[in-house]
Amino acid sequence: AQSVAQPEDQVNVAEGNPLTVKCTYSVSGNPYLFWYVQYPNRGLQFLLKYITGDNLVKGSYGFEAEFNKSQTSFHLKKPSALVSDSALYFCAVIRDSNYQLIWGAGTKLIIKP
Amino acid sequence: EAGVAQSPRYKIIEKRQSVAFWCNPISGHATLYWYQQILGQGPKLLIQFQNNGVVDDSQLPKDRFSAERLKGVDSTLKIQPAKLEDSAVYLCASSSDRYNQPQHFGDGTRLSIL
Repeated sequence: AQSVAQPEDQVNVAEGNPLTVKCTYSVSGNPYLFWYVQYPNRGLQFLLKYITGDNLVKGSYGFEAEFNKSQTSFHLKKPSALVSDSALYFCAVIRDSNYQLIWGAGTKLIIKP
Repeated sequence: EAGVAQSPRYKIIEKRQSVAFWCNPISGHATLYWYQQILGQGPKLLIQFQNNGVVDDSQLPKDRFSAERLKGVDSTLKIQPAKLEDSAVYLCASSSDRYNQPQHFGDGTRLSIL
């Protein structure tokens, strides 16, 4: 079955340190992968996507994600975390059969000053 | 580019009452989605429209939920009668195509059922 896993419910990082939010996926064909961020009382905001091409994808707000086909992972990264990056992050993959998004459970990112 | 507009932002009703949510997608976006998001969880797709036609409503509780997009632009989601378990945030999203383009979300309507 197609699925997305975000193994960490919460990630804590000190401001200025690099951050990684993990995502692994399982699909039968080529994966189309997305990262979204959700701030309190707001909708989800698109950060970046991987469709094809370079394994390192750059997105909004200085975020990037690395696609690793052999490890079926699409981890979100940022070289230097900001307190304002504190939010809920969702990984998603497109389901082959109907092109709908399969969502991960979300990871709460807390950046401490 | 104006984003996805949703109203109201908050709604409090008693169980068994009815409620309606409105969504205006990004101009030109043919695909419109309604999601239900329980606090701390990922969004659950309720219904997907392509223009004014329904693509998928398999997870819509049709005994109480209904949605329409009559002119292929804005959309309304209705709940009648509401149950306590319907307390959630209802998110509308739109995309320029239904295949691999990102979805753009409104800020949602937070529904509380008393």
